Amino acid sequence: KQEVTQIPAALSVPEGENLVLNCSFTDSAIYNLQWFRQDPGKGLTSLLLIQSSQREQTSGRLNASLDKSSGRSTLYIAASQPGDSATYLCAVIGAAGNKLTFGGGTRVLVKP
Amino acid sequence: GAVVSQHPSWVICKSGTSVKIECRSLDFQATTMFWYRQFPKQSLMLMATSNEGSKATYEQGVEKDKFLINHASLTLSTLTVTSAHPEDSSFYICSVRSGSSTDTQYFGPGTRLTVL
Repeated sequence: KQEVTQIPAALSVPEGENLVLNCSFTDSAIYNLQWFRQDPGKGLTSLLLIQSSQREQTSGRLNASLDKSSGRSTLYIAASQPGDSATYLCAVIGAAGNKLTFGGGTRVLVKP
Repeated sequence: GAVVSQHPSWVICKSGTSVKIECRSLDFQATTMFWYRQFPKQSLMLMATSNEGSKATYEQGVEKDKFLINHASLTLSTLTVTSAHPEDSSFYICSVRSGSSTDTQYFGPGTRLTVL
């Protein structure tokens, strides 16, 4: 059974600092990995999707890497802003099915 | 990306009543829809997967007679919580996907259910 873990569970940084969020998964046989953002009481916004054949994806200040063999992904957010404060979730779709398995999320607070 | 709406955005009901939550894909042919629930400060847990015109596939531990899912069209799925109890209070989120498992899932804004 796929398990997805995110460390740390919470993170507080001053504005301008780079953010590094970690995600690990136990079964490396995945189709893809997605990073999402969730604001309090809201749904999820897809940030980046990395196919299993890819090693990274970039969108603006966001960069996500994928090391499938070691079961790890890292989301980098450059030059953090207070508006980046949210919970970030990673999720994988495994080869066994078509379902997303979510990590527990990392709650990020960027202080002005 | 796809635009997904949910209605209502929040609902408060008495214990024992049934509540229907709608999930609409506004600009997207959603062959597959998913229903999740999320407890405070926890991650999303998949409840069921539904394909248009077919019966939903429920995850282990989810009572199909309690959480009725209907996916009658490519743009609408409904989740009905029957005989709701306080422990059913949660944040319910739907998501849609058009094709294969490699496609992105798009999520609705969620529905906050509070059962008194």
